[in-house]
Order: sequence, then C-alpha cells, then structure tokens
Amino acid sequence: GAVVSQHPSWVICKSGTSVKIECRSLDFQATTMFWYRQFPKQSLMLMATSNEGSKATYEQGVEKDKFLINHASLTLSTLTVTSAHPEDSSFYICSARVAGALQAGELFFGEGSRLTVL
Amino acid sequence: GENVEQHPSTLSVQEGDSAVIKCTYSDSASNYFPWYKQELGKGPQLIIDIRSNVGEKKDQRIAVTLNKTAKHFSLHITETQPEDSAVYFCAATFKAAGNKLTFGGGTRVLVKP
Repeated sequence: GAVVSQHPSWVICKSGTSVKIECRSLDFQATTMFWYRQFPKQSLMLMATSNEGSKATYEQGVEKDKFLINHASLTLSTLTVTSAHPEDSSFYICSARVAGALQAGELFFGEGSRLTVL
Repeated sequence: GENVEQHPSTLSVQEGDSAVIKCTYSDSASNYFPWYKQELGKGPQLIIDIRSNVGEKKDQRIAVTLNKTAKHFSLHITETQPEDSAVYFCAATFKAAGNKLTFGGGTRVLVKP
C-alpha cells in the first residue's frame, strides 16, 4: 500500500524557535497533501491544503504566516511552525492524495509528528 | 460545509462481542466515507471505506453500511479482540470539496479480555 512518511516523529523546542516538519509520499506522487493538527483526545482538525507548485489553502482561523507550508515537489510537503509557543504544542499529521485519483478519497496518512514547545 | 457527528464517544465491549459505531453527515453531496483506526501516538490508518454507490461493504471482521437517504453510515466490528482497542474516526468527503475530509469526533473503543 501507499506509504506516507513524516519526519521528525517528535520534536521538543524552545519558545520562539521555528520547527520544520516534513511529509513525504514514498511510493507514489501526491499533487495534494493535507496538514492536520490534533489535540489530546480530540479529532483531527484540517489546517491547510498543500498543492504542488502553488500556494497552500488555509482553513479559516489558521494563520498562514504562523504555519508556513511548502509543496515543492510531487513527493514532499513541509510545514514550518514559526516562532513556536507552548500553545502550538500538538500532534501534527499529514495526508497525501494519489496524483490522478479520479474519485474522492484515496488519502494516506503519515504517522504524525508530536511537537512540544517549552 | 460538511458536518459529521459520531456516536458513541466511548465504547467498552467484552472480547468476542460486536462493536457498532454510528456517524451522520449533513452534506448530501458527500460520496466517500472512510473509517480510520488510530492507535496511541500514531497517525490514522484506513481500515475500510465505502462509496455512495454501494450500501454495504465487508472485510473479514469489519463491515460498513451506508444509508444515503438518512445520511448515516456505521462501522461494525465482529468478534472483537483486545488489539481492536483504539480510537476510531469516521469521515466524509466528495471530490468537489477537493477531497477535504471532515472527521467525526472519534470513538474510543476498549475491548476487555
């Protein structure tokens, strides 16, 4: 099956620093990737849609200057949390859509990246 | 936009019994309904999905049913095992929505040995 890899799986940083999380589709090309955040015991909340070669589309309430998304290739999207603060501590998960998928769905999720901001 | 409600939020069953989780959705345009299993500290794993052109789909101990008229779909796990303990999420989407999944609130399933 399709594999989506996230790195790092966990990161601890000091308040005010920036953290980059990578999302890679290992055995398929993904024109679209999605970034979610998940707080403890809660559901996944979509943050933004990352489109290869174009600007990301952010959901309402998500600061685009705070969460920078770059989708430079068909297999890699990155999420950078800039000037991180303790309230940014969360579980960040990406998913990737198979390029050329004709129907809705066909999304594959990464293993998630746990960010802790001290 | 789409809204997905999921019930119950927690479910405790005895090993060997069945577990049923129900979801309702609001947007009649939704045509793809996946179910994900999430273990602690991991990303969601797709366990089964169903499209709007079928009413039921089964994969070994797992089955999903869809009622388009009532706009609800359910996950059925039979002969539950301790390794089925996890959080389960339903979701809905349709292609015109850019494949953006709307998730239910999740159900924490505990299978007691």
